[in-house]
Amino acid sequence: EAQVTQNPRYLITVTGKKLTVTCSQNMNHEYMSWYRQDPGLGLRQIYYSMNVEVTDKGDVPEGYKVSRKEKRNFPLILESPSPNQTSLYFCASSDRDPFQETQYFGPGTRLLVL
Amino acid sequence: GQQVMQIPQYQHVQEGEDFTTYCNSSTTLSNIQWYKQRPGGHPVFLIQLVKSGEVKKQKRLTFQFGEAKKNSSLHITATQTTDVGTYFCAGYLSDTGNQFYFGTGTSLTVIP
Repeated sequence: EAQVTQNPRYLITVTGKKLTVTCSQNMNHEYMSWYRQDPGLGLRQIYYSMNVEVTDKGDVPEGYKVSRKEKRNFPLILESPSPNQTSLYFCASSDRDPFQETQYFGPGTRLLVL
Repeated sequence: GQQVMQIPQYQHVQEGEDFTTYCNSSTTLSNIQWYKQRPGGHPVFLIQLVKSGEVKKQKRLTFQFGEAKKNSSLHITATQTTDVGTYFCAGYLSDTGNQFYFGTGTSLTVIP
């Protein structure tokens, strides 16, 4: 089954404790992206990757890191999480950039930073 | 600040009534996509519009892209309880390279 998977689905952590949210897709998509969703703000793009070893900042990259060593994986790293990073996070992928192809979203990761 | 705004933020309708959400951008959009997110779910792609003034229909849903490519609308005729969810517009802003922007969303509640 074609899908985007994220782990963990739920995470409670404390300020400053490094964490990684994994994202994997099995559709051989080139484009992958991370979004955070907050009430009243919609989804905001954190980072995106057009292909392996190519990553770029989105609208709200501060406090986040990503890497794209393999085509299928695009982990999101929070080196020193803070309470303002409490949010619902979505990973997405598409065959090419979203201008040409629809994005497929993962199930989401709900993060609470205390 | 927020680049792509949607109104209204919330809408409650009686089943069978029509519903419209409006999407407005501060700058020209290269394209516009619409997504639906069911409660507790993830966004699901509905449609993409590319041309100025384009109108597309999917059964009871009508999507429109403004002539100036700075606004869009989604209209649902005769809402059903299955239409419940949050509707987002999204797209590339012409002056921001490859960053992809989502609107603020409209949450639709349908009262049976």
